[in-house]
Amino acid sequence: DAGVTQSPTHLIKTRGQQVTLRCSPKSGHDTVSWYQQALGQGPQFIFQYYEEEERQRGNFPDRFSGHQFPNYSSELNVNALLLGDSALYLCASSSQGWGYGYTFGSGTRLTVV
Amino acid sequence: AQSVTQLGSHVSVSEGALVLLRCNYSSSVPPYLFWYVQYPNQGLQLLLKYTSAATLVKGINGFEAEFKKSETSFHLTKPSAHMSDAAEYFCAVRLTQGGSEKLVFGKGTKLTVNP
Repeated sequence: DAGVTQSPTHLIKTRGQQVTLRCSPKSGHDTVSWYQQALGQGPQFIFQYYEEEERQRGNFPDRFSGHQFPNYSSELNVNALLLGDSALYLCASSSQGWGYGYTFGSGTRLTVV
Repeated sequence: AQSVTQLGSHVSVSEGALVLLRCNYSSSVPPYLFWYVQYPNQGLQLLLKYTSAATLVKGINGFEAEFKKSETSFHLTKPSAHMSDAAEYFCAVRLTQGGSEKLVFGKGTKLTVNP
């Protein structure tokens, strides 16, 4: 049974560029949450998607946006990249939004130069 | 606001020694608490969770944690450390808001196991 799949695993972008990260949830899960983990820090909640809508958003600027597709997969978009956006981006999936059974992907390591 | 504080960013133990990783929570409602482990260049793996049932929670890989309301603590323990336990450990609390929820994580504790 495949868990949460994230792509790409690594990427390097230049300041000012835009990036799209992708996440396929675990089979049977319908909710996707995105977290940003800066080096040496704990993950910080970006937003959560359920039924193709953003249900909750953390303290991140509008440069961070997302989307959920009918098959429950999700994308995280970041515009006008800053050096401070360099981090590990984690996707977590769950069923009907409850955190009892979060499954995390291995993450996408984004480096902004 | 609900939050967790992990005491000690780095903990070093010898192989076979007791592992104790500390986590204190702040919550105005009965919390749901979690411990996750992160190995280098990997995502987070759930070790155990407290969801207001038994206060002593047993998890994977021989880890357990005890919920102590009087001390607002949820410390993670393992009787005998193994080299494979070297990783970063995160305590988290579930925060519910408007019908949805998220996890709020501590800053993490890096565990080193010495031979």
